[in-house]
Amino acid sequence: EVQLVQSGGEVKKPGESLRISCKGSGYTFTRYWISWVRQMPGKGLEWMGRIDPSDSYTVYSPSFHGHVTISVDRSISTTYLEWSSLRASDTAIYYCAISPSGGYFDPWGQGTLVTASS
Amino acid sequence: QSVLTQPPSASGSPGQTVTISCTGTAGDVGGYDYVSWYQQHPGKTPKLLIYEVTHRPSGVPDRFSGSKSGSTASLTVSGLQAEDEADYYCSSYVGRSAFVFGGGTKLTVL
Repeated sequence: EVQLVQSGGEVKKPGESLRISCKGSGYTFTRYWISWVRQMPGKGLEWMGRIDPSDSYTVYSPSFHGHVTISVDRSISTTYLEWSSLRASDTAIYYCAISPSGGYFDPWGQGTLVTASS
Repeated sequence: QSVLTQPPSASGSPGQTVTISCTGTAGDVGGYDYVSWYQQHPGKTPKLLIYEVTHRPSGVPDRFSGSKSGSTASLTVSGLQAEDEADYYCSSYVGRSAFVFGGGTKLTVL
């Protein structure tokens, strides 16, 4: 079964750094892009960016470029979403999702709740 | 990239048919056959309903169907059931390996 398992929820202070993870299993990890999607409380889905695990090529939405970093560790089939300095407005659920043929997202990870509050 | 435009809400009675629109531009919905639709129940992970405009993954009831005309894609839910009450999102490829979502539509079953 193709599956993405994300790391647990995090509570941080604004200004702190954070890295959350998304581990793939049940398929050849380098075969499919993985995207990250944000959902702020009570709001819709926002595509943040995606990485090609085979070569680490990354594309970001203009809305997120420069504020987050997407990376991959092929040796443990894991992608990461990282902030060097969190803002209170980063409070949201973050999902990772596979793009099997580049045009859609399936399956999704279970989501990671990030709370940035002083 | 602009968010694709969806109506904030839609509703219908059990058994009825509801259509949700997703309007973009020639640079996204109109330019690629990579429109997908997702269903999200409260507190749950989004679920793929339709991919590549019209294709339905195995396990998704055939009550759900997708179409596209120009820069507007549509999700049609026929034979509305109580469990269809959820949020629905469209997504489109926008070129250069990037994507965009719609703002979401809350479907209420009356």
